[in-house]
Amino acid sequence: AQSVAQPEDQVKVAEGNPLTVKCTYSVSGNPYLFWYVQYPNRGLQFLLKYITGDNLVKGSYGFEAEFNKSQTSFHLKKPSALVSDSALYFCAVRDAGGYNKLIFGAGTRLAVHP
Amino acid sequence: KAGVTQTPRYLIKTRGQQVTLSCSPISGHRSVSWYQQTPGQGLQFLFEYFSETQRNKGNFPGRFSGRQFSNSRSEMNVSTLELGDSALYLCASSLATSGRGKNIQYFGAGTRLSVL
Repeated sequence: AQSVAQPEDQVKVAEGNPLTVKCTYSVSGNPYLFWYVQYPNRGLQFLLKYITGDNLVKGSYGFEAEFNKSQTSFHLKKPSALVSDSALYFCAVRDAGGYNKLIFGAGTRLAVHP
Repeated sequence: KAGVTQTPRYLIKTRGQQVTLSCSPISGHRSVSWYQQTPGQGLQFLFEYFSETQRNKGNFPGRFSGRQFSNSRSEMNVSTLELGDSALYLCASSLATSGRGKNIQYFGAGTRLSVL
């Protein structure tokens, strides 16, 4: 069965420092991976996706993610965090059954302090 | 281009009642998926519709149902509400549904349902 794990419930970083939000996955076949962000009282906003190709994926708002097949990881990164990046981040994998079903991790709350 | 629109934004119901939530996808998008978000269970897939047909279904009881209209708008219905149905219900739309799963899903702001 497909699954996604986000091992950290919360990540705290200082503004201006680099940030990493971790995600590991378990899939059969090639993984289709996504990162979404959720701000309070809002839906999910798409950040980036990995389908095939370069292991470093660039996305919205300066975020990028590194796909590592041997470690089955897809960590979200940003070189310099902003206070406005504080939000709930979800990693997701497309279900192997096809179509558009996403399986989400539990989410990681990112807190960026001034 | 307008995003995914969900109505209403907030709902308060009592146990045993039924509720209908509405979702208007991004113009041109033909696939609509529904997810339930709760603090305990996180984000869970409910079902997906494409061209008025249910293409995929999550592990929810039959009290949860949905449909899609010819204009791609979708509704989901929950009958005989239980306290545990209190959640944020999110709708997502994408251009198409395919086995290659390259489609990005765009989410609405959600409908927050409270069951008393």
